[in-house]
Amino acid sequence: DTEVTQTPKHLVMGMTNKKSLKCEQHMGHRAMYWYKQKAKKPPELMFVYSYEKLSINESVPSRFSPECPNSSLLNLHLHALQPEDSALYLCASSQDRGSDEQFFGPGTRLTVL
Amino acid sequence: DQQVKQNSPSLSVQEGRISILNCDYTNSMFDYFLWYKKYPAEGPTFLISISSIKDKNEDGRFTVFLNKSAKHLSLHIVPSQPGDSAVYFCAANRGRGSTLGRLYFGRGTQLTVWP
Repeated sequence: DTEVTQTPKHLVMGMTNKKSLKCEQHMGHRAMYWYKQKAKKPPELMFVYSYEKLSINESVPSRFSPECPNSSLLNLHLHALQPEDSALYLCASSQDRGSDEQFFGPGTRLTVL
Repeated sequence: DQQVKQNSPSLSVQEGRISILNCDYTNSMFDYFLWYKKYPAEGPTFLISISSIKDKNEDGRFTVFLNKSAKHLSLHIVPSQPGDSAVYFCAANRGRGSTLGRLYFGRGTQLTVWP
């Protein structure tokens, strides 16, 4: 299995909702990442987990809460989001944090109403 | 502070010809460079990479060239095919210290290959 999967593919939520994005990989990778990508912009790093511990938080607002329950799973919990948070949320993984290639999932297209 | 720059937002090339996508960087501490390809509504797909100790890496139709003194890299696609039409992102990695694991992306170049 050489892919990163993400669910759901699309998500529409109101500003008072609580939802979660899920990411899974079975490549034995020990580093996992959340990125946010707006239209016509490059991916922006949000969080890095290394061996299930949060190692980089790029000053992301607390309405985004990451969680790494085990080495294969990465969640992003969403609460009280704003319309400007609408974007494509990408998960990626790599062998470990020092590895060069990161492999991306297909993303979750999030719309906040 | 854009440390990786792709100054051409778009490139249009005829099928069968060479596509050359360019990327410049400002941080001399970068030691690994990657190209990703992205179709609409999909995540970026890793394409090819190069370590700073090399000046060329080839994989099939794709070749990446690195000029460290100019802080410049380029991706050559020969021959170009319509299926290559996508956004291409250049990315750089500084494999040490607190920034370990952080990829710095350019803004991307939209490549269109027409028949």
